[in-house]
Amino acid sequence: EAEVAQSPRYKITEKSQAVAFWCDPISGHATLYWYRQILGQGPELLVQFQDESVVDDSQLPKDRFSAERLKGVDSTLKIQPAELGDSAMYLCASSSGQVVRYEQYFGPGTRLTVT
Amino acid sequence: GENVEQHPSTLSVQEGDSAVIKCTYSDSASNYFPWYKQELGKGPQLIIDIRSNVGEKKDQRIAVTLNKTAKHFSLHITETQPEDSAVYFCAASKPGTYKYIFGTGTRLKVLA
Repeated sequence: EAEVAQSPRYKITEKSQAVAFWCDPISGHATLYWYRQILGQGPELLVQFQDESVVDDSQLPKDRFSAERLKGVDSTLKIQPAELGDSAMYLCASSSGQVVRYEQYFGPGTRLTVT
Repeated sequence: GENVEQHPSTLSVQEGDSAVIKCTYSDSASNYFPWYKQELGKGPQLIIDIRSNVGEKKDQRIAVTLNKTAKHFSLHITETQPEDSAVYFCAASKPGTYKYIFGTGTRLKVLA
């Protein structure tokens, strides 16, 4: 069964350092999402890609966060500099992108701890 | 802005009993409502979904109902088992961006 891959699974970093997360969506999925999930809350969308283009990054803190999907396949989310409040689970999801297909499939996530 | 409210935040049931989780959405344009199960340390897993042209959908022990007029939808789990213990999230999506607005989650504990 095809799955969304993410790495690393866990990351501990000191505040003011840079950190990057990687996501490989299900093969053929045109739409890719990055979510942030704070402990005890539901996931919140950070950025949405359609192929290599950003569709929605309205909730992405652009002063410190950046995301790219250069070839429309895998994607990287970066935080620089990291702050204590960035400690959370970062989830990647993908969907086929077809108009009638809404289903999003999530990866295992990267648990970030900022000290 | 768009909002999805979810209740209860925690739910404990005896094994074999039923569990019901309820969500209310604010955007009347929403037309797709998935439910996800999230186990500790893992990503959310889609367990069932419903579209606005359907009032109810079942898959074995799991069912979802939708009331468009009241803008609320519910997850029903029958004959609960210990492995059903997890956090469950509802979400709502609408045409256009298809992005999800998630509820705040329900921690379900099934007591053996």
